[in-house]
This record gives sequence, C-alpha cells and structure tokens, in this order.
Amino acid sequence: GQQVQQSPASLVLQEGENAELQCNFSTSLNSMQWFYQRPGGSLVSLFYNPSGTKHSGRLTSTTVIKERRSSLHISSSQTTDSGTYLCALASSNTNKVVFGTGTRLQVLP
Amino acid sequence: VTLLEQNPRWRLVPRGQAVNLRCILKNSQYPWMSWYQQDLQKQLQWLFTLRSPGDKEVKSLPGADYLATRVTDTELRLQVANMSQGRTLYCTCSAERQGASERLFFGHGTKLSVL
Repeated sequence: GQQVQQSPASLVLQEGENAELQCNFSTSLNSMQWFYQRPGGSLVSLFYNPSGTKHSGRLTSTTVIKERRSSLHISSSQTTDSGTYLCALASSNTNKVVFGTGTRLQVLP
Repeated sequence: VTLLEQNPRWRLVPRGQAVNLRCILKNSQYPWMSWYQQDLQKQLQWLFTLRSPGDKEVKSLPGADYLATRVTDTELRLQVANMSQGRTLYCTCSAERQGASERLFFGHGTKLSVL
C-alpha cells in the first residue's frame, strides 16, 4: 500500500485563514521534507525536518516520529500560497525517497 | 542560486520516438544525482540515482522505458523511449545518497507530451 498518505487531498481557503496539512507514513523514517510546487512549476524545498518543529515565516513543520506523522501549518494564508504541497519520506529501510500524493491548496482573495 | 540546469524544458514527442534529456550539476557539493518522474496525476516517483561517471541503469515503467547515464561528475542524461503518456522528468541532487539525512534539490523539470 501507499507508504506516504497526505490529507486533505485538496483545500480551499479564504485569504487570512490558517491551514493544517498532514502527512502520515507507514514505514520507519530517515528523513522528512516538505516541498511546494506552483502550478506548472518545479519543486521548492520548504523544510527538511526529520523530527521536531521548525519555523519559517508563516510556515511551521512538526514531525512526530513515534506517531509516524508530519504536519505543515500555514498561518494567515495568502493567494500566493496556492499550489501543491508535497511531503517526501526517505525510508531507513529502502534508501529511497517516497513522495506523498500532495495537498492542492487554493487561497481565494 | 540554481544548482541544476535541465534541458530541454519542454518537448513534444512523436509516438514511438525516443527523446534525450540532459541535466547539468552546478555545485559539486551535491554530487548524488537522480531522476524523478511526475505523472499527469502529479504523483512523483523516484527512478534512478547515479553517483559515478559511467554508471548506467535501465527501467521500464507503465507508459515509458528509461535509460539513465551518469556521463561525468556534472552531467546526467536520461533517454525516454516508448512513451505513451505525458510526464515531467525532474533531475535532483543531494549531498549524500537518497535515504540518508540529506536535503533534496530539484531542477526545473522537462515536460514531455506525446504527439
């Protein structure tokens, strides 16, 4: 089955609202990254966060290894936050990077 | 700062023809180079990781056959053949092998469409 599950699959917000994106994984973790992909664009690394909590501007990433989950919190969303957010897990078992299915975020003005 | 340069950025591929992609590494601190494919449903999948010049691998996936070659320390190539569905190919680099505790960086991607 899918090793990395993201939820929700899609999300629509009004500008200014907060968002909580979830990433759940079923295998042991070596590293966790969050990426942002603009429609038609490449992937930009947001966080490299194998454990604990990291902050970057309006973004916060929290990874809890024993619960096999990672979250990305977006506060005070802006229309420019619209796009797809992907989590990627590097498994200590397989030495491969596995991507989640993504959350498609749309922030309305 | 751009770590990877991919070309072409877009290509229309006649059915049955192969296409050759190129990725140039701009920073030798990230020598582990890989190819990923992103399908039309936006699912990303790892294809290859090649570290040393001369390394070659082949793989067949639904919708395309791949041959990857690490040509030099700075150049990675990918031949895509028998493609039946469009996709985007991304080149990546990292300081260590995938799966180790290292950040992954992406190129701009090459979007392939089937004619």
